[in-house]
Amino acid sequence: AQSVSQHNHHVILSEAASLELGCNYSYGGTVNLFWYVQYPGQHLQLLLKYFSGDPLVKGIKGFEAEFIKSKFSFNLRKPSVQWSDTAEYFCAVTTNGGSQGNLIFGKGTKLSVKP
Amino acid sequence: NAGVTQTPKFRILKIGQSMTLQCTQDMNHNYMYWYRQDPGMGLKLIYYSVGAGITDKGEVPNGYNVSRSTTEDFPLRLELAAPSQTSVYFCASSLDRATSYEQYFGPGTRLTVT
Repeated sequence: AQSVSQHNHHVILSEAASLELGCNYSYGGTVNLFWYVQYPGQHLQLLLKYFSGDPLVKGIKGFEAEFIKSKFSFNLRKPSVQWSDTAEYFCAVTTNGGSQGNLIFGKGTKLSVKP
Repeated sequence: NAGVTQTPKFRILKIGQSMTLQCTQDMNHNYMYWYRQDPGMGLKLIYYSVGAGITDKGEVPNGYNVSRSTTEDFPLRLELAAPSQTSVYFCASSLDRATSYEQYFGPGTRLTVT
């Protein structure tokens, strides 16, 4: 079965620090990859997605992610975080071979940004 | 557009009680989903639907039932509430499986069973 691993449970950064959140998935075929963000008290929102093409994907609010097929990874990056980036970040994957197209989520990484 | 709406936002149930969590989307999406989110565990799929009249089990369906009589609505039913069902429940929808897979989420229902 497919699975998604997010290695960092809680990341604490100061404002202006650079961010990289790790995400690895287990599936050997074609995948679609997503990063969702959940701000405190809010629902999940799509940050960015990768379906095909350029493996470097740019999303909203200055976030980007790079798909490295050989490493089964889709790490999220931001050059300079802000206090407003405090949230929980979820990596998710779905596969073209899946029967229902549902998202398989990682356990999430909490990001706390200190002002 | 309201997107995906869920009611209620909060609910406290006693063990053994039943309730229905409502979910409505106004985007004419074919696919709808119910997830539960437990702390530190990410989201787990409970049930999903690929269209009106068609539903199927996800990863954690035990203790729940669903129906899809219209494109817009996808209610989730808890028949005999148990403490293990204390969680935050999210409904989501997507246009179609075969296209973008992008899912739009509702604001969630926080359920406590005591």
